[in-house]
Amino acid sequence: DSGVTQTPKHLITATGQRVTLRCSPRSGDLSVYWYQQSLDQGLQFLIQYYNGEERAKGNILERFSAQQFPDLHSELNLSSLELGDSALYFCASSVGAFGGWGYTFGSGTRLTVV
Amino acid sequence: TQLLEQSPQFLSIQEGENLTVYCNSSSVFSSLQWYRQEPGEGPVLLVTVVTGGEVKKLKRLTFQFGDARKDSSLHITAAQPGDTGLYLCAGARDNNDMRFGAGTRLTVKP
Repeated sequence: DSGVTQTPKHLITATGQRVTLRCSPRSGDLSVYWYQQSLDQGLQFLIQYYNGEERAKGNILERFSAQQFPDLHSELNLSSLELGDSALYFCASSVGAFGGWGYTFGSGTRLTVV
Repeated sequence: TQLLEQSPQFLSIQEGENLTVYCNSSSVFSSLQWYRQEPGEGPVLLVTVVTGGEVKKLKRLTFQFGDARKDSSLHITAAQPGDTGLYLCAGARDNNDMRFGAGTRLTVKP
């Protein structure tokens, strides 16, 4: 157990639908990062939150949004889902705003869009 | 084009053999990390290197950061089946931009 909790572990949904992925960071970590991993794209950075505020944005589509709540858990919302959104979605956390010392990853949510 | 190029992409070896995988870039990084990922799990941090020329050892794994902080290597001595997995390098640039390589998929056969 890495200390980063992601739910659900698996999600199957239809095109056009909306889903919410949830992440609780490791105790004491203030930053939460969201990554998408697909076979052809590798790990792609989506967005980072630090202590409730958006800190950095990567290749996140406009159909996707995220937030970090006062208790530091984070949610990633994916809407108008397309087949190409099928992927593993990872949450990671770090103590500070700078993740250069390394992340702790959760075990991921496998999203399948049918 | 990936900012971090990892090679080889795939590696299949017998138990007991030695191996080296590489992580190369034209960018300078303030730190570089190596992770191992097993199927169905998230990447697990193995090491972080921050100083050019730095060498870190973790049991049978030796990590080296290039003098110019643009590249890194991971050497495994006497590989075991438990070393099987996807090895990812990740580099952090000064603007907090963290990039991952595509990974080296290692299979160690008993």
